[in-house]
Amino acid sequence: GAVVSQHPSRVICKSGTSVKIECRSLDFQATTMFWYRQFPKQSLMLMATSNEGSKATYEQGVEKDKFLINHASLTLSTLTVTSAHPEDSSFYICSARGDTPPNEAFFGQGTRLTVV
Amino acid sequence: GQNIDQPTEMTATEGAIVQINCTYQTSGFNGLFWYQQHAGEAPTFLSYNVLDGLEEKGRFSSFLSRSKGYSYLLLKELQMKDSASYLCAVRDGGSARQLTFGSGTQLTVLP
Repeated sequence: GAVVSQHPSRVICKSGTSVKIECRSLDFQATTMFWYRQFPKQSLMLMATSNEGSKATYEQGVEKDKFLINHASLTLSTLTVTSAHPEDSSFYICSARGDTPPNEAFFGQGTRLTVV
Repeated sequence: GQNIDQPTEMTATEGAIVQINCTYQTSGFNGLFWYQQHAGEAPTFLSYNVLDGLEEKGRFSSFLSRSKGYSYLLLKELQMKDSASYLCAVRDGGSARQLTFGSGTQLTVLP
């Protein structure tokens, strides 16, 4: 199956700093990637849809200026959490749709962000 | 929009069979997926249904009834390693084909 690599897997940062999370499709091209956020014992909440070469589409309630998404190539999307606060601490997961039917979503390993 | 319901928790015994149900109300439908997620890890793909009926894959089977907005995941010959959260997800019919996830069912397999 397709492989999606997400980096870093864990990051601790100070309040007010910014953190960048990378999501790469290793063996296929992904014109569309998705960024999710997951709180403990809860399901994945879609934050935004990342489109290669164009602006991301954000879900209602997600601040686009706080969660910057850049999809600069067909294999790389990045999520930058700007001016992080403790309430931004969460598990962030990216996914990309496979390029063969049923085009299921393949997920990165996830990033555990802790803001102190 | 999409609304997806599944039980929060289930418990079963090693070697047994368990069925996890999922109901959904959607504004568009382009397939239903089941994923397994162990704590602290990313979800892994289990099964996909887009037409009515049963899809079997080893110890796992998934069923779909589009007219009823209903699916289930059947796990046979349960093993301890099957203890995980099982997520039902519906893909919409839009160009982005977004997935909307249910809240997940935490399955605990007891010895």
